[in-house]
Amino acid sequence: NAGVTQTPKFQVLKTGQSMTLQCAQDMNHNSMYWYRQDPGMGLRLIYYSASEGTTDKGEVPNGYNVSRLNKREFSLRLESAAPSQTSVYFCASSENSGITQYFGPGTRLTVL
Amino acid sequence: AQRVTQPEKLLSVFKGAPVELKCNYSYSGSPELFWYVQYSRQRLQLLLRHISRESIKGFTADLNKGETSFHLKKPFAQEEDSAMYYCALPSGGSQGNLIFGKGTKLSVKP
Repeated sequence: NAGVTQTPKFQVLKTGQSMTLQCAQDMNHNSMYWYRQDPGMGLRLIYYSASEGTTDKGEVPNGYNVSRLNKREFSLRLESAAPSQTSVYFCASSENSGITQYFGPGTRLTVL
Repeated sequence: AQRVTQPEKLLSVFKGAPVELKCNYSYSGSPELFWYVQYSRQRLQLLLRHISRESIKGFTADLNKGETSFHLKKPFAQEEDSAMYYCALPSGGSQGNLIFGKGTKLSVKP
């Protein structure tokens, strides 16, 4: 099992460009999450999906959209990237909401 | 509101010294607490979960409801323990996600 996978690993964008971060899990988990990690801020939840077909906002959803494409895949979209969105983005999944979460390797995004 | 506080941004110890990474929480009800670890440039991984009462890589953590703490301890630090450590608990209510502390960077010197 690959666990949780993310693409791309690195990305550089210019302000105003759009992009989609992809996440997939092969553990048949119901819940999936997107976090951003910034120095001194820890991990902050952007969006989550408790089950296929549902998505909810987390702590810092502004500037992002998500799609739970199916049970395996949960994508994060930046419609118009801003320098404040420079961060490391982690996707995670769990069997059910709130219990042990398994993380992907992260995407390091730089917005110039 | 649920909250996790890790008061130390950085903790530096020498190899073989005891380590205690502090975590305090605010939670209404009986919390389930976690410690996650992130080694340099790697993904976060679960270190331990209080409900399982395991000792992983020599680390233990005891839930102290009176002091609302869940400190992570290891009697003898190793250089390979150098990493970022995050304490986390469920957000509660209808939201099924984790709230993470801001993390403590542990540096174990030779």
